[in-house]
Amino acid sequence: AQSVTQLDSQVPVFEEAPVELRCNYSSSVSVYLFWYVQYPNQGLQLLLKYLSGSTLVKGINGFEAEFNKSQTSFHLRKPSVHISDTAEYFCAVSANNAGKSTFGDGTTLTVKP
Amino acid sequence: DTGVSQNPRHKITKRGQNVTFRCDPISEHNRLYWYRQTLGQGPEFLTYFQNEAQLEKSRLLSDRFSAERPKGSFSTLEIQRTEQGDSAMYLCASSFARVEEQYFGPGTRLTVT
Repeated sequence: AQSVTQLDSQVPVFEEAPVELRCNYSSSVSVYLFWYVQYPNQGLQLLLKYLSGSTLVKGINGFEAEFNKSQTSFHLRKPSVHISDTAEYFCAVSANNAGKSTFGDGTTLTVKP
Repeated sequence: DTGVSQNPRHKITKRGQNVTFRCDPISEHNRLYWYRQTLGQGPEFLTYFQNEAQLEKSRLLSDRFSAERPKGSFSTLEIQRTEQGDSAMYLCASSFARVEEQYFGPGTRLTVT
């Protein structure tokens, strides 16, 4: 079984500042890793994914994440945030070809002017 | 590509009533997933289909819940004898088999009074 821990439930940050949202996972098998964003009253939208290869993954809207196998982490970063980045962010893990994803409880990113 | 659609978007029902939700996946996707999301938590896996076959069902899913995907296209999720604890957002997602990126619909918000 897999599990995901998002270490911060809320992250407030000022506009144009850098941000890091932390995600740790546990699994006894190889996994795929994902970050999703959810805006109010909407479904989840994929930001980026790690399947294999380079451990630094770039996604949409200027986000990137780094897979660290030894620390079982997949932290999300953005060098300069915008007001429009205010949303809920979910880290998810899926065992290779297992089908379902296991999600963390989310991190609320609030970007203040 | 019209994305994943879900109907209805909102449903209010009285305790003890039955409800049915519909999900239309992206047309070429053969995997379809159902998740439940409660306030302040990440999506929780319920069940998934590959074509018309239901391949996995969460142990959290009581016998009051049933899902179908009769022709491998749209899916329905039925909850019988609803309880207040069933109040949640029900999310549907679809993907290609063997590719774990899931595309989510906007969800159906169920309120049981």
